[in-house]
Amino acid sequence: DIQMTQSPSTLSASVGDRVTITCRASQSIRSWLAWYQQKPGEAPKLLIYKASNLESGVPSRFSGSGSGTEFTLTISSLQPDDFATYYCQQYNAYPYTFGRGTKLEIK
Amino acid sequence: EVQLVESGGGLVQPGGSLRLSCAASGFIVSSNSMTWVRQAPGKGLEWVSLIYSDGTTFYADSVKGRFTISRHSSKNTLYLQMTSLRTEDTAVYYCARDLSGLTDWGQGTLVTVSS
Repeated sequence: DIQMTQSPSTLSASVGDRVTITCRASQSIRSWLAWYQQKPGEAPKLLIYKASNLESGVPSRFSGSGSGTEFTLTISSLQPDDFATYYCQQYNAYPYTFGRGTKLEIK
Repeated sequence: EVQLVESGGGLVQPGGSLRLSCAASGFIVSSNSMTWVRQAPGKGLEWVSLIYSDGTTFYADSVKGRFTISRHSSKNTLYLQMTSLRTEDTAVYYCARDLSGLTDWGQGTLVTVSS
C-alpha cells in the first residue's frame, strides 16, 4: 500500500499568515493527489484535486503543488474559517490512502 | 443540488452484521464512481471501498472479505454490507461521489461495534 506522510501533524498560526502543509508519498503517485479540509462534526470538503486544481467554490487563497512523491498545500493568508484539520489522499493506486492529517490551530 | 444521505448505523455486537445505505439525489449513482470512507472517533480518515460505474469494486485490506459495496439503480442508493464486525470497525461511515477526488459527501452514519 502507498503510505502518505503529512507534516506537520499540528500547526499553530495566526490570521493573515501564509502556511504550507506537506504530504509525501512512499512511491510516485504522479499527480493523483487530493486535499481535504475537515471541521469538527462535519464531513470533509474537497479543496484541491489532481495536485493543483482548485475545486469549484474554494477560495483562491488555497493552492496545491507537486508531483511524484512530494506535494504541498499552501494557504496564502489565513482566515478565521481556515482553522481546521487538513488531509491529503492519493488516488493513484488501490487501496487509496489518506495522510494522518494536519491540525491547523490558532496561535 | 447534489445530496447524499447515509443511514443504517447503530450499535452492533462483535461478529454481527449491518448494512449501510447512502441515498443520492441530484445525480445518478450508477453512472458515477462511489466511495465509502470511515473515521474512527478522534482519528483520521480511512478509505474503505469504491465501486466504479461499470461495477468494478475495490476494498481496503482491513475490510476485504467482510464488507461488500453495491448499489441499487432504481433506488439511486449505494450500500455497504458489513459482516463479521470487529470493535476496530467502530467509526463514522461516509459515502462520497468520486470525480477525481471525493467531491460530494454525506453527513455520515455512526457504527459502534461493542458488546
